[in-house]
Amino acid sequence: RKEVEQDPGPFNVPEGATVAFNCTYSNSASQSFFWYRQDCRKEPKLLMSVYSSGNEDGRFTAQLNRASQYISLLIRDSKLSDSATYLCVVGNFNKFYFGSGTKLNVKP
Amino acid sequence: DVKVTQSSRYLVKRTGEKVFLECVQDMDHENMFWYRQDPGLGLRLIYFSYDVKMKEKGDIPEGYSVSREKKERFSLILESASTNQTSMYLCATTMGGEAQPQHFGDGTRLSIL
Repeated sequence: RKEVEQDPGPFNVPEGATVAFNCTYSNSASQSFFWYRQDCRKEPKLLMSVYSSGNEDGRFTAQLNRASQYISLLIRDSKLSDSATYLCVVGNFNKFYFGSGTKLNVKP
Repeated sequence: DVKVTQSSRYLVKRTGEKVFLECVQDMDHENMFWYRQDPGLGLRLIYFSYDVKMKEKGDIPEGYSVSREKKERFSLILESASTNQTSMYLCATTMGGEAQPQHFGDGTRLSIL
């Protein structure tokens, strides 16, 4: 079983839509959680850390559910520029485990 | 902002060559990592280092070695390049301690012919 699993998508949504991604992880001792954005042929860039109480950054909201071992990312009012692959990352001490990414296409 | 610099964006080498990929960071981070990313397989950890001259194997260390002689520099070495090492190579760093995110370099797209 993979350490971190994501639906690869693609999610095709119109501009202005709300879209949500989930990611499940297998190690209940995991300590840290992140969402990264990766554009085609570029490096992953940190979008946001995910905290136990949930957190929001503008149009982006991240949630952590330790009991069910998943994290989620909600994007409101999608923009064309949100089109990218979103990687879920789970950390345990100094080791990080990456999901394969969920591809989002926002269409006009 | 953290700056992580990889020596080359694109590199083409021949089978059997010894290949060096360099990564330099400017934020005094303790931990440095080398990954490769392939379609459908995601990011896979090759090696990481949590201090100068310290290294630990990741999930796919075979065919690779690393060197960390200075805190800011972490080198990945392909001892004898093979075609199955054609990939995107990504260097990342973190500060020490829990819950610190990784910061990535631009990546090196390596082709072995």
